[in-house]
Amino acid sequence: DTEVTQTPKHLVMGMTNKKSLKCEQHMGHRAMYWYKQKAKKPPELMFVYSYEKLSINESVPSRFSPECPNSSLLNLHLHALQPEDSALYLCASSQGSRSQETQYFGPGTRLLVL
Amino acid sequence: AQSVSQHNHHVILSEAASLELGCNYSYGGTVNLFWYVQYPGQHLQLLLKYFSGDPLVKGIKGFEAEFIKSKFSFNLRKPSVQWSDTAEYFCAASGAGSYQLTFGKGTKLSVIP
Repeated sequence: DTEVTQTPKHLVMGMTNKKSLKCEQHMGHRAMYWYKQKAKKPPELMFVYSYEKLSINESVPSRFSPECPNSSLLNLHLHALQPEDSALYLCASSQGSRSQETQYFGPGTRLLVL
Repeated sequence: AQSVSQHNHHVILSEAASLELGCNYSYGGTVNLFWYVQYPGQHLQLLLKYFSGDPLVKGIKGFEAEFIKSKFSFNLRKPSVQWSDTAEYFCAASGAGSYQLTFGKGTKLSVIP
């Protein structure tokens, strides 16, 4: 089973709202990722967690705040977003062994910021 | 700098035609290579991957890719496409031991029945 689940599927929020995206995997993977994908563009890496610790932050604005409560869960907390943050947010996971890492992606949360 | 190039932006084929999508990479050191597919309205799915060994790798749905080190290429092929292959195809690469996956810009494949 190579399933990564994400909730919600769709989210509409105002610029003053606070919301959270959730990602879950039960493959025993120890690396988890957040990506942002704009229409007709490839995914752009935002954050990487390795063994529940933040490993990579690709200079993402602080209005995006990741959290990894345990090895199966990854959250992305959103606050004071801008309309240009509207995009598909993808979660992925991989083994975490740094050997032949293969990332498996979830279906994404489609975010619209008004 | 690490980069992945996909030269075909949009490919249009008739059903049963053969497919080859180009992918070139620029990486220092050992590279891992992947092809992902994104069907309309769906999530990224792994088609195939190459880490080492046999340079011809077979993936799901009849796709295969060949790693040619001298050409820094990892082209995707399928002998006979179907309408259901209509999708966006992304080539991606990572360095050995790295979590960072670099994507190409993608190739949109449209298959006409």
